[in-house]
Amino acid sequence: AQTVTQSQPEMSVQEAETVTLSCTYDTSESDYYLFWYKQPPSRQMILVIRQEAYKQQNATENRFSVNFQKAAKSFSLKISDSQLGDAAMYFCAYRSWYEDNDMRFGAGTRLTVKP
Amino acid sequence: NAGVTQTPKFQVLKTGQSMTLQCAQDMNHNSMYWYRQDPGMGLRLIYYSASEGTTDKGEVPNGYNVSRLNKREFSLRLESAAPSQTSVYFCASSADRFYGYTFGSGTRLTVV
Repeated sequence: AQTVTQSQPEMSVQEAETVTLSCTYDTSESDYYLFWYKQPPSRQMILVIRQEAYKQQNATENRFSVNFQKAAKSFSLKISDSQLGDAAMYFCAYRSWYEDNDMRFGAGTRLTVKP
Repeated sequence: NAGVTQTPKFQVLKTGQSMTLQCAQDMNHNSMYWYRQDPGMGLRLIYYSASEGTTDKGEVPNGYNVSRLNKREFSLRLESAAPSQTSVYFCASSADRFYGYTFGSGTRLTVV
């Protein structure tokens, strides 16, 4: 079964600076989808960004971008120009392209933004 | 607003009591899911339903049952609550693997 590992339980960043959250995954599949979700104190899970494994180009959504390294099975999230509203738990997730079942989540990284 | 509606938002149960968590989506999604979230463990799948009329066990199904009542609704039942079931529960739905999940707002359940 696929597993997702987030090795940084907590991270902090100064407002307006850049931070990178790490994620690695284990799979034998060649096609899959990867996601980053944000969970603010409101508890709501919000999709931040997605990446298709068959695309070499890294996904970007405004201040959020990923560094997808397929061979290394690494999928890090970069947040540029950090804002106070970015403070949240961030979850990395893997979803199979072949199987119509669930999404596997990492344990999460708590991001603190310092003013 | 379109999305996933989950009720209740908070619940306290005594050990041995039963309850049902309700979930409904209005996006015409085929797949629906129930997860639990525990500190340091991320989200773990309890049950899922790939389509109306079908349900399958996930990673942590013991102590739970589900019903896919129709395409919109997917409920989670705790027959005899235990303190180990204290958690935050999320319902989610999905149209396609590409799009990921749309989540409900979660239920914080405490079993005392």
